[in-house]
Amino acid sequence: GAGVSQSPSNKVTEKGKDVELRCDPISGHTALYWYRQSLGQGLEFLIYFQGNSAPDKSGLPSDRFSAERTGGSVSTLTIQRTQQEDSAVYLCASSFAGGPGTDTQYFGPGTRLTVL
Amino acid sequence: DAKTTQPNSMESNEEEPVHLPCNHSTISGTDYIHWYRQLPSQGPEYVIHGLTSNVNNRMASLAIAEDRKSSTLILHRATLRDAAVYYCILRDGSGGSNYKLTFGKGTLLTVNP
Repeated sequence: GAGVSQSPSNKVTEKGKDVELRCDPISGHTALYWYRQSLGQGLEFLIYFQGNSAPDKSGLPSDRFSAERTGGSVSTLTIQRTQQEDSAVYLCASSFAGGPGTDTQYFGPGTRLTVL
Repeated sequence: DAKTTQPNSMESNEEEPVHLPCNHSTISGTDYIHWYRQLPSQGPEYVIHGLTSNVNNRMASLAIAEDRKSSTLILHRATLRDAAVYYCILRDGSGGSNYKLTFGKGTLLTVNP
């Protein structure tokens, strides 16, 4: 079946501009995650959506970052007034139930964001 | 989260078995051992996970030590497509906000033709 898809695959923007990154999770997955990965660095958690529960936004680095998930499916990560330090690969993942331990997260290919 | 230790890099030849070690001496009784891998320029990919018993799936096998302080990911016949960074992580199965995946440096596997 179809995996997690993300768009665009690459985004180059100028400092100060806003960007929107889109994630289409696997159909039927109730949990959705956003991470980012800077060059040569590990995975950094950003935000987690689970069903109709309030999202866990504890990983968002500043109030310039926001995300929403409409209809329990597609999610958009918005970065306002982009800065050069925002340059990274933004990864979206989804899982069936969002539970700990055994729940498998399936990742999309990522969006490579470059802020000039 | 309990910490894992992996070699920075390993090398293998195509069609030979590969054994990727992971040490997790401070593992707790509710921690599951998960392996993910990340191919160049791609998102991470789930490989396998286990709790106490050895596990097999179509991609790999996971051998878990009896005391659970170490584990080994086994690729039975490495292919060029298996060249990736392999991450061994522990995930607490008892609940809480342990849905956040955290990857360390992992092991960079090079497969020679």
